[in-house]
Amino acid sequence: GAGVSQSPSNKVTEKGKDVELRCDPISGHTALYWYRQSLGQGLEFLIYFQGNSAPDKSGLPSDRFSAERTGGSVSTLTIQRTQQEDSAVYLCASSPAYTYGDGYTFGSGTRLTVV
Amino acid sequence: DQQVKQNSPSLSVQEGRISILNCDYTNSMFDYFLWYKKYPAEGPTFLISISSIKDKNEDGRFTVFLNKSAKHLSLHIVPSQPGDSAVYFCAASGNAGNMLTFGGGTRLMVKP
Repeated sequence: GAGVSQSPSNKVTEKGKDVELRCDPISGHTALYWYRQSLGQGLEFLIYFQGNSAPDKSGLPSDRFSAERTGGSVSTLTIQRTQQEDSAVYLCASSPAYTYGDGYTFGSGTRLTVV
Repeated sequence: DQQVKQNSPSLSVQEGRISILNCDYTNSMFDYFLWYKKYPAEGPTFLISISSIKDKNEDGRFTVFLNKSAKHLSLHIVPSQPGDSAVYFCAASGNAGNMLTFGGGTRLMVKP
């Protein structure tokens, strides 16, 4: 597609349930990033995939969070046993290999609300 | 520990005047800096960047200034337009392909 696509755009879930957020990057982009923006906060790095290399998971806030990227394309961010503090907008970005950031294209995000 | 800080959460400017958004960083390994703009319900979009070997980069109405000794950068928008009203994020990178570290954002409101 022309841009980064994220689904769903909005998700309301009950505390304790698991959720899956999906990101379809731009075709050919080898790097994929997940960030989240909590209310009134900046963008917090979560995880970074680059080609076939092991992902950089240093930003994942707890072991309830995991992500995978299948076939070097689509990525799924999974949050298990959701908590209210997980409520945020989850943003995915993709870029060509080895860029200084001006090649990042962000999706519109998934707004997750845990009730 | 916030490595990139935007100390002003909001800024209000009259149309036609200059908007100055500020950003401070602490990590001396950062060597590339960017500004992103974000409208509600949209993802951030790249606006302008600067390498640490420069102290100024200009693109139309937007200019970014970098003061390495002070670990400070600023974004100047002149003249400001109502369509510039958005949240502006400062970001920094240590090397190509590495993840960006973002500041907390500054909400700019340009009044007609």
